[in-house]
Amino acid sequence: KQEVTQIPAALSVPEGENLVLNCSFTDSAIYNLQWFRQDPGKGLTSLLLIQSSQREQTSGRLNASLDKSSGRSTLYIAASQPGDSATYLCAGLMEYGNKLVFGAGTILRVKS
Amino acid sequence: EPEVTQTPSHQVTQMGQEVILRCVPISNHLYFYWYRQILGQKVEFLVSFYNNEISEKSEIFDDQFSVERPDGSNFTLKIRSTKLEDSAMYFCASSLAKNIQYFGAGTRLSVL
Repeated sequence: KQEVTQIPAALSVPEGENLVLNCSFTDSAIYNLQWFRQDPGKGLTSLLLIQSSQREQTSGRLNASLDKSSGRSTLYIAASQPGDSATYLCAGLMEYGNKLVFGAGTILRVKS
Repeated sequence: EPEVTQTPSHQVTQMGQEVILRCVPISNHLYFYWYRQILGQKVEFLVSFYNNEISEKSEIFDDQFSVERPDGSNFTLKIRSTKLEDSAMYFCASSLAKNIQYFGAGTRLSVL
Protein backbone atom coordinates (compact mmCIF):
# COMPACT_ATOMS: atom_id res chain seq x y z
CA LYS A 1 0.00 0.00 0.00
CA GLN A 2 1.38 3.36 -1.06
CA GLU A 3 2.18 5.84 1.71
CA VAL A 4 3.13 9.44 0.93
CA THR A 5 4.89 11.58 3.52
CA GLN A 6 5.65 15.29 3.36
CA ILE A 7 8.31 17.07 5.34
CA PRO A 8 8.24 19.58 6.94
CA ALA A 9 4.64 19.75 8.12
CA ALA A 10 4.93 23.53 8.36
CA LEU A 11 7.46 26.11 7.22
CA SER A 12 7.75 29.83 7.86
CA VAL A 13 10.24 31.86 5.81
CA PRO A 14 10.94 35.54 5.12
CA GLU A 15 10.00 36.93 1.73
CA GLY A 16 12.60 36.39 -0.97
CA GLU A 17 13.98 33.15 0.39
CA ASN A 18 14.37 30.04 -1.77
CA LEU A 19 12.85 26.95 -0.23
CA VAL A 20 12.44 23.21 -0.74
CA LEU A 21 9.45 21.07 0.14
CA ASN A 22 9.94 17.32 0.38
CA CYS A 23 7.71 14.40 -0.54
CA SER A 24 8.56 10.72 -0.12
CA PHE A 25 6.66 7.61 -1.17
CA THR A 26 7.02 3.97 -0.20
CA ASP A 27 6.05 2.24 -3.45
CA SER A 28 8.30 3.07 -6.42
CA ALA A 29 5.63 1.94 -8.93
CA ILE A 30 4.73 5.57 -9.49
CA TYR A 31 3.28 6.53 -12.87
CA ASN A 32 3.44 10.26 -12.20
CA LEU A 33 3.55 12.70 -9.33
CA GLN A 34 1.51 15.88 -9.02
CA TRP A 35 2.12 18.89 -6.81
CA PHE A 36 -0.91 20.91 -5.73
CA ARG A 37 -1.55 24.15 -3.92
CA GLN A 38 -4.48 24.46 -1.52
CA ASP A 39 -5.59 27.75 0.01
CA PRO A 40 -7.56 27.58 3.29
CA GLY A 41 -11.03 26.13 2.72
CA LYS A 42 -10.49 25.99 -1.03
CA GLY A 43 -9.95 23.45 -3.76
CA LEU A 44 -6.76 21.95 -5.17
CA THR A 45 -4.84 23.80 -7.86
CA SER A 46 -2.47 21.65 -9.88
CA LEU A 47 1.01 23.20 -10.03
CA LEU A 48 3.22 20.64 -11.74
CA LEU A 49 3.06 17.07 -12.93
CA ILE A 50 6.16 14.93 -13.39
CA GLN A 51 5.96 11.72 -15.35
CA SER A 52 7.93 8.75 -14.01
CA SER A 53 10.25 9.01 -17.01
CA GLN A 54 11.11 12.63 -16.19
CA ARG A 55 13.55 13.97 -13.63
CA GLU A 56 12.38 17.59 -13.45
CA GLN A 57 9.57 19.90 -14.41
CA THR A 58 9.58 23.70 -14.22
CA SER A 59 6.87 26.35 -14.20
CA GLY A 60 7.92 29.92 -13.47
CA ARG A 61 9.48 30.07 -10.00
CA LEU A 62 8.59 26.44 -9.31
CA ASN A 63 10.75 23.43 -10.03
CA ALA A 64 9.80 19.88 -9.15
CA SER A 65 12.06 16.85 -9.27
CA LEU A 66 11.35 13.14 -9.06
CA ASP A 67 13.66 10.28 -8.13
CA LYS A 68 11.73 7.04 -8.36
CA SER A 69 14.58 4.86 -7.14
CA SER A 70 14.88 6.73 -3.85
CA GLY A 71 11.15 7.35 -3.56
CA ARG A 72 11.45 11.13 -3.36
CA SER A 73 10.18 14.29 -4.96
CA THR A 74 11.00 17.88 -4.12
CA LEU A 75 9.30 21.16 -4.92
CA TYR A 76 11.66 24.10 -5.11
CA ILE A 77 10.19 27.60 -4.84
CA ALA A 78 12.51 30.44 -5.83
CA ALA A 79 12.29 33.97 -4.45
CA SER A 80 9.26 33.25 -2.27
CA GLN A 81 6.48 35.83 -1.97
CA PRO A 82 3.70 36.33 0.61
CA GLY A 83 1.22 35.20 -2.06
CA ASP A 84 2.90 31.79 -2.03
CA SER A 85 1.51 31.18 1.47
CA ALA A 86 -0.70 28.08 1.22
CA THR A 87 -0.64 24.33 1.82
CA TYR A 88 1.34 22.36 -0.74
CA LEU A 89 0.31 18.76 -1.40
CA CYS A 90 2.06 16.07 -3.35
CA ALA A 91 0.16 13.11 -4.75
CA GLY A 92 1.36 9.99 -6.55
CA LEU A 93 -0.52 8.19 -9.29
CA MET A 94 0.37 4.52 -9.29
CA GLU A 95 1.22 2.43 -12.35
CA TYR A 96 -1.70 0.23 -11.40
CA GLY A 97 -5.03 2.04 -11.15
CA ASN A 98 -6.04 5.66 -11.45
CA LYS A 99 -6.21 6.98 -7.91
CA LEU A 100 -4.00 9.70 -6.50
CA VAL A 101 -2.46 8.99 -3.10
CA PHE A 102 -1.90 12.24 -1.20
CA GLY A 103 0.54 13.38 1.41
CA ALA A 104 -0.66 15.40 4.39
CA GLY A 105 0.82 18.60 2.99
CA THR A 106 3.28 21.30 4.01
CA ILE A 107 1.78 24.53 5.33
CA LEU A 108 3.93 27.38 3.99
CA ARG A 109 3.91 30.89 5.39
CA VAL A 110 5.97 33.57 3.67
CA LYS A 111 6.39 36.65 5.84
CA SER A 112 6.67 40.11 4.31
CA GLU B 1 -9.57 27.92 -19.25
CA PRO B 2 -11.84 24.87 -18.79
CA GLU B 3 -12.54 23.97 -15.19
CA VAL B 4 -14.34 21.43 -13.05
CA THR B 5 -17.38 22.97 -11.36
CA GLN B 6 -19.07 21.65 -8.25
CA THR B 7 -22.40 22.52 -6.68
CA PRO B 8 -23.38 23.36 -4.05
CA SER B 9 -20.33 24.91 -2.40
CA HIS B 10 -21.77 24.10 1.03
CA GLN B 11 -24.42 21.53 1.92
CA VAL B 12 -25.90 21.16 5.39
CA THR B 13 -27.98 18.08 6.11
CA GLN B 14 -29.43 16.13 8.98
CA MET B 15 -28.01 12.73 9.89
CA GLY B 16 -29.81 9.97 8.00
CA GLN B 17 -30.77 12.18 5.05
CA GLU B 18 -29.73 11.54 1.47
CA VAL B 19 -27.50 14.06 -0.29
CA ILE B 20 -26.42 14.42 -3.89
CA LEU B 21 -23.26 16.29 -4.71
CA ARG B 22 -22.96 17.52 -8.26
CA CYS B 23 -20.02 18.02 -10.56
CA VAL B 24 -19.54 19.13 -14.15
CA PRO B 25 -16.18 17.74 -15.33
CA ILE B 26 -14.12 19.30 -18.10
CA SER B 27 -16.05 18.58 -21.29
CA ASN B 28 -13.67 16.33 -23.25
CA HIS B 29 -12.41 14.40 -20.22
CA LEU B 30 -13.07 10.69 -19.95
CA TYR B 31 -12.12 9.82 -16.37
CA PHE B 32 -13.98 11.13 -13.35
CA TYR B 33 -13.17 10.92 -9.66
CA TRP B 34 -14.43 11.74 -6.21
CA TYR B 35 -12.11 12.42 -3.29
CA ARG B 36 -12.82 13.68 0.18
CA GLN B 37 -10.91 15.56 2.85
CA ILE B 38 -12.02 15.39 6.46
CA LEU B 39 -10.97 18.54 8.31
CA GLY B 40 -7.29 18.35 9.24
CA GLN B 41 -6.72 15.05 7.41
CA LYS B 42 -5.30 13.92 4.08
CA VAL B 43 -7.22 14.00 0.84
CA GLU B 44 -8.58 10.46 0.33
CA PHE B 45 -9.65 8.72 -2.87
CA LEU B 46 -13.25 7.50 -3.00
CA VAL B 47 -14.00 6.32 -6.52
CA SER B 48 -13.04 6.57 -10.16
CA PHE B 49 -15.44 6.27 -13.10
CA TYR B 50 -14.71 5.51 -16.74
CA ASN B 51 -16.83 4.40 -19.66
CA ASN B 52 -20.01 4.62 -17.58
CA GLU B 53 -18.85 2.35 -14.83
CA ILE B 54 -16.82 2.37 -11.65
CA SER B 55 -13.22 1.50 -12.46
CA GLU B 56 -11.85 1.62 -8.92
CA LYS B 57 -13.17 2.32 -5.44
CA SER B 58 -11.73 2.57 -1.96
CA GLU B 59 -12.80 0.87 1.25
CA ILE B 60 -14.58 4.09 2.22
CA PHE B 61 -16.89 3.79 -0.77
CA ASP B 62 -19.38 1.38 0.75
CA ASP B 63 -23.03 0.68 -0.10
CA GLN B 64 -24.06 4.09 1.24
CA PHE B 65 -22.28 5.74 -1.69
CA SER B 66 -23.12 5.70 -5.37
CA VAL B 67 -22.02 7.62 -8.44
CA GLU B 68 -23.82 8.37 -11.65
CA ARG B 69 -23.30 10.16 -14.92
CA PRO B 70 -26.95 10.92 -15.68
CA ASP B 71 -26.25 12.83 -18.89
CA GLY B 72 -23.31 13.91 -21.02
CA SER B 73 -22.10 16.58 -18.66
CA ASN B 74 -22.91 15.87 -15.00
CA PHE B 75 -21.25 13.48 -12.56
CA THR B 76 -22.91 12.98 -9.20
CA LEU B 77 -22.07 11.45 -5.84
CA LYS B 78 -24.99 10.26 -3.73
CA ILE B 79 -24.75 9.44 -0.06
CA ARG B 80 -27.83 7.46 0.84
CA SER B 81 -28.06 7.93 4.60
CA THR B 82 -25.56 10.45 5.89
CA LYS B 83 -23.61 9.92 9.10
CA LEU B 84 -21.81 12.48 11.23
CA GLU B 85 -18.48 11.11 10.03
CA ASP B 86 -19.40 11.89 6.40
CA SER B 87 -18.81 15.58 7.19
CA ALA B 88 -15.93 16.58 4.93
CA MET B 89 -14.94 18.52 1.84
CA TYR B 90 -15.77 16.47 -1.24
CA PHE B 91 -13.75 17.08 -4.38
CA CYS B 92 -14.62 16.05 -7.89
CA ALA B 93 -11.80 15.66 -10.42
CA SER B 94 -11.50 14.74 -14.07
CA SER B 95 -8.75 13.77 -16.48
CA LEU B 96 -8.42 13.13 -20.19
CA ALA B 97 -6.36 9.99 -19.66
CA LYS B 98 -3.89 8.72 -17.09
CA ASN B 99 -2.39 12.17 -16.62
CA ILE B 100 -3.17 15.43 -14.86
CA GLN B 101 -6.27 15.32 -12.70
CA TYR B 102 -8.07 18.65 -12.46
CA PHE B 103 -9.99 19.34 -9.30
CA GLY B 104 -13.08 21.37 -8.58
CA ALA B 105 -13.38 23.85 -5.71
CA GLY B 106 -15.17 21.27 -3.56
CA THR B 107 -18.44 20.90 -1.70
CA ARG B 108 -18.30 21.24 2.04
CA LEU B 109 -20.76 18.73 3.53
CA SER B 110 -21.86 19.33 7.10
CA VAL B 111 -23.91 16.55 8.71
CA LEU B 112 -25.72 17.63 11.88
